[in-house]
Amino acid sequence: ETGVTQSPTHLIKTRGQQVTLRCSSQSGHNTVSWYQQALGQGPQFIFQYYREEENGRGNFPPRFSGLQFPNYSSELNVNALELDDSALYLCASSLVGREYNEQFFGPGTRLTVL
Amino acid sequence: GEDVEQSLFLSVREGDSSVINCTYTDSSSTYLYWYKQEPGAGLQLLTYIFSNMDMKQDQRLTVLLNKKDKHLSLRIADTQTGDSAIYFCAEDAGNNRKLIWGLGTSLAVNP
Repeated sequence: ETGVTQSPTHLIKTRGQQVTLRCSSQSGHNTVSWYQQALGQGPQFIFQYYREEENGRGNFPPRFSGLQFPNYSSELNVNALELDDSALYLCASSLVGREYNEQFFGPGTRLTVL
Repeated sequence: GEDVEQSLFLSVREGDSSVINCTYTDSSSTYLYWYKQEPGAGLQLLTYIFSNMDMKQDQRLTVLLNKKDKHLSLRIADTQTGDSAIYFCAEDAGNNRKLIWGLGTSLAVNP
């Protein structure tokens, strides 16, 4: 069973730029959720994708967008980067229909915005 | 509103028990979770409890849930240095089962 992988592991961008982060779900999982974890904070829910459709969104502006592909891999896109976007971005995959919502997390992508 | 609160730091001696506390606000949460985060590693699910249970035991871990007070605790028996990490309490909320997280409790285990 392949775990959740994310790429890249680290990224440095400047204000105003755009970034794409990638996630490969665990084999057999049909749902992916993205979280932002600022330093010293708990993860904040960005959005979730199920069967290639957005299935819920947290309090993040529209410049945060995503995609889920038929193979259940996913992308998180952030436009017009701001300094406060510097954080660890976590992807988690899960299987809808399971009794409890066990989400399997990737190691994250550390984004630094200068 | 949605809010999960935890104490930020806990320091224990190796071999002692650790108790990490959490309060949550969403009474409609179905499951509550404890995750562990080690430096440079992803979040790992430690255990979970269904909202109609009072207690769950899993080897060295005991979860207690007081639904009336919306209070959740995680007890780690015989705490080891390898247990040093940040522990997050999370509740699932809403139809899309998004997770709402606390700030995390940093557990330091001293030899």
